[in-house]
Amino acid sequence: GQQLNQSPQSMFIQEGEDVSMNCTSSSIFNTWLWYKQDPGEGPVLLIALYKAGELTSNGRLTAQFGITRKDSFLNISASIPSDVGIYFCAGQNYGGSQGNLIFGKGTKLSVKP
Amino acid sequence: EAQVTQNPRYLITVTGKKLTVTCSQNMNHEYMSWYRQDPGLGLRQIYYSMNVEVTDKGDVPEGYKVSRKEKRNFPLILESPSPNQTSLYFCASSPRTGWPYGYTFGSGTRLTVV
Repeated sequence: GQQLNQSPQSMFIQEGEDVSMNCTSSSIFNTWLWYKQDPGEGPVLLIALYKAGELTSNGRLTAQFGITRKDSFLNISASIPSDVGIYFCAGQNYGGSQGNLIFGKGTKLSVKP
Repeated sequence: EAQVTQNPRYLITVTGKKLTVTCSQNMNHEYMSWYRQDPGLGLRQIYYSMNVEVTDKGDVPEGYKVSRKEKRNFPLILESPSPNQTSLYFCASSPRTGWPYGYTFGSGTRLTVV
């Protein structure tokens, strides 16, 4: 099936640093989504993007839908310890079974106080 | 509270002993799906259901069965579990197939097959 390449696989950063992660695909998506998974919990939606070029913020998080519709990035500014977790990108096309989400393999973020 | 509920949260079982992981949602969602999460492999879809009595295979369906007799429930059945099915399992739902606002996930079931 379709695959998303998410990088980096893991990050170890100091509290207060900015973080950047991205996702690329060989095929086009209509929607890009970013999820966060806290340890021991299910993924929770952070940001959804619906238009090529769109830039959306949610507090300290900013995500962009790539202009080619084949990529997306997520930035976290001024990281704090509770940012720890696994971040997943997901792409989606509309209609029938194409409506299934395709997930990246995740970026594991560790934040040192 | 709107939620997806999975049971059990943790399960240790032996090879070959049939088991069922339950998933229930209280949001009247049409679409439900099962994923497994393994280190380095991310979330891989096992089966999904677009509505009652409509199910289809995802990317890794081998060794699993599902049923969707009622809208709210979507159990995952392992007829003869094997150690390679040791994993973290998530159930997810959305109002309909292709819903562009993401899925709601359950809290996960950690399964160990020895």
